[in-house]
Amino acid sequence: GQNIDQPTEMTATEGAIVQINCTYQTSGFNGLFWYQQHAGEAPTFLSYNVLDGLEEKGRFSSFLSRSKGYSYLLLKELQMKDSASYLCAVKRSPGTGFQKLVFGTGTRLLVSP
Amino acid sequence: DAGVTQSPTHLIKTRGQQVTLRCSPKSGHDTVSWYQQALGQGPQFIFQYYEEEERQRGNFPDRFSGHQFPNYSSELNVNALLLGDSALYLCASSPTPGQMMGTEAFFGQGTRLTVV
Repeated sequence: GQNIDQPTEMTATEGAIVQINCTYQTSGFNGLFWYQQHAGEAPTFLSYNVLDGLEEKGRFSSFLSRSKGYSYLLLKELQMKDSASYLCAVKRSPGTGFQKLVFGTGTRLLVSP
Repeated sequence: DAGVTQSPTHLIKTRGQQVTLRCSPKSGHDTVSWYQQALGQGPQFIFQYYEEEERQRGNFPDRFSGHQFPNYSSELNVNALLLGDSALYLCASSPTPGQMMGTEAFFGQGTRLTVV
């Protein structure tokens, strides 16, 4: 089977740092994505990890440990506009050559002044 | 360069009716995937089309069907609508499978379907 877990909701203060964790159990793992989704809008790409380690992109960083089935998204210098849902998604390749994304339920982040 | 476009943006249907949603992929992409996102949940994979054939399917009943056209655009059809089909339907496009393994899927803005 496949299971992706992330916290339902988190709160943080403007200017702070927040870490959103994601654990997964899935076969055919072929990479992990983080997406940001504002209410009523489409998910937008934040980061992609396929190898272990940290990927940094501006205020956002993402980490992956394949042996532990674990990833986190780190957001620094939080801004009010970062209030959104953050989706962890595993790219699965079941061996057919085709891939699909399996999403967690998302973490709703509320940034307060 | 237009990204993924979906139509309509909003739709209200009655239980038992049928609905067709449309998607045009990003330029250069030929694989289209459809996802259903219920309120407060993550997107759930419905199916994926490549070369006008359904290549993968998620755990959705046969009431959900699709089609891909030669220009790579796609339709999602849902028959015998239920109240539980109310959701945001997202279309995602990606390059030919296997060519750009690391590329993220690009999502359209979605179609908000309300079944009453």
